[in-house]
Amino acid sequence: NAGVTQTPKFQVLKTGQSMTLQCAQDMNHEYMSWYRQDPGMGLRLIHYSVGAGITDQGEVPNGYNVSRSTTEDFPLRLLSAAPSQTSVYFCASSPGGVDTDTQYFGPGTRLTVL
Amino acid sequence: AQSVTQLDSQVPVFEEAPVELRCNYSSSVSVYLFWYVQYPNQGLQLLLKYLSGSTLVKGINGFEAEFNKSQTSFHLRKPSVHISDTAEYFCAVSDHGGSNYKLTFGKGTLLTVNP
Repeated sequence: NAGVTQTPKFQVLKTGQSMTLQCAQDMNHEYMSWYRQDPGMGLRLIHYSVGAGITDQGEVPNGYNVSRSTTEDFPLRLLSAAPSQTSVYFCASSPGGVDTDTQYFGPGTRLTVL
Repeated sequence: AQSVTQLDSQVPVFEEAPVELRCNYSSSVSVYLFWYVQYPNQGLQLLLKYLSGSTLVKGINGFEAEFNKSQTSFHLRKPSVHISDTAEYFCAVSDHGGSNYKLTFGKGTLLTVNP
């Protein structure tokens, strides 16, 4: 199993550009999430999904869109990039359930918005 | 709403010394508690978790944590650290209602182990 994969690893955007961060998992996990990590802030939840076709907002959803058309993929779209979105983005998946609630994280995408 | 406070942003220690990384949480419901570790330029990986049962939880790499409900704490300990333990450590909480895909993280503690 590849686990959770994210592409690209690095990206530089100009203010106002749009892009999609890709996330895929091959563990047949129901739950998937997107976090952003900023220095001194820990990780903050952007959006999450409890299954194909179902998404919801997390703590910091503004400026981001998600969709979940398949169990495997959970892309994150930046509609109009802003410097405040410069961050490291992590995708995570979880099988859910009481005893199998560990989240598995991808390696991250480092995004810089100029 | 739940929150997590990691009391130390940085903890420097010498190799083979014991270490404790402190974590306190607040929540109006029962919680699950986690410690994740992030090595430089990598994603996060689970170190250990508390779901229920014994309050002393053992994890990977010789780490353990103790859940203290009365003090709402979940401190992480290791009796003897190695250089390779240098990393950032995150405490996290999810509510007991099953939304364990929605973790609330602390701001992290950078553990630096010096020779």
